[in-house]
Amino acid sequence: EIVLTQSPDTLSLSPGERATLSCRASQVISGTYLAWYQQKPGQAPSLLFYGASSRATAIPERFSGGGSGTDFTLTITRLEPEDFAVYYCQHYGSTLYTFGQGTKLEIK
Amino acid sequence: QVQLQGSGPGLLKPSDTLSLTCTVSGGSISNYYWGWIRQPPGKGLEWIGYVSYTGSTNHNPSLKSRVTTSLDTSKNQFSLEMTSVTAADTAVYYCARVQYRNYYFAMDVWGQGTTVTVSS
Repeated sequence: EIVLTQSPDTLSLSPGERATLSCRASQVISGTYLAWYQQKPGQAPSLLFYGASSRATAIPERFSGGGSGTDFTLTITRLEPEDFAVYYCQHYGSTLYTFGQGTKLEIK
Repeated sequence: QVQLQGSGPGLLKPSDTLSLTCTVSGGSISNYYWGWIRQPPGKGLEWIGYVSYTGSTNHNPSLKSRVTTSLDTSKNQFSLEMTSVTAADTAVYYCARVQYRNYYFAMDVWGQGTTVTVSS
């Protein structure tokens, strides 16, 4: 069973700063099946990226995704107030889904 | 634009069976997979299972023996049943569309979530 570990658990930054969120897999995985979601308080998650680096519909270009093997990252170049939320990575493999525990991006 | 609306009882007693339905509007249930995910209070996301447009299913091994997923194409709905619930099953339950072809099994449309509380 693949385990996804996200770091840090909480990231405190100011609007305008750059955020880098990490998702590490317990074994090598295919980035094709790696996705990222954003969840704001009281809302359902929303898809940001699929295939590790492909933006979902209407996702701003300040968001980027990348990585390979066991290490994947979500980067937000210039934080906007609406970007402060919880972010989850997710992998699909061998007919099973796994989610990371989430990174909370909070306003400093 | 496709929208998902989950529905079902919000309060259950221990040992009850949880039954939730998700209604798909603005599009067809055909040619997609449809998933269930839950989130206990203050915690992260846990995948429960999915059902394909053909009716084939796959579930989280940790819940497998208690979970059934199905779909009703005539009503454009899909459903989740979970037997023998306990307080540990208290969570917000989300339904979601699985883009198995274009998005490599990412979940691109989510319902608003149904809060389920298990308490005696």
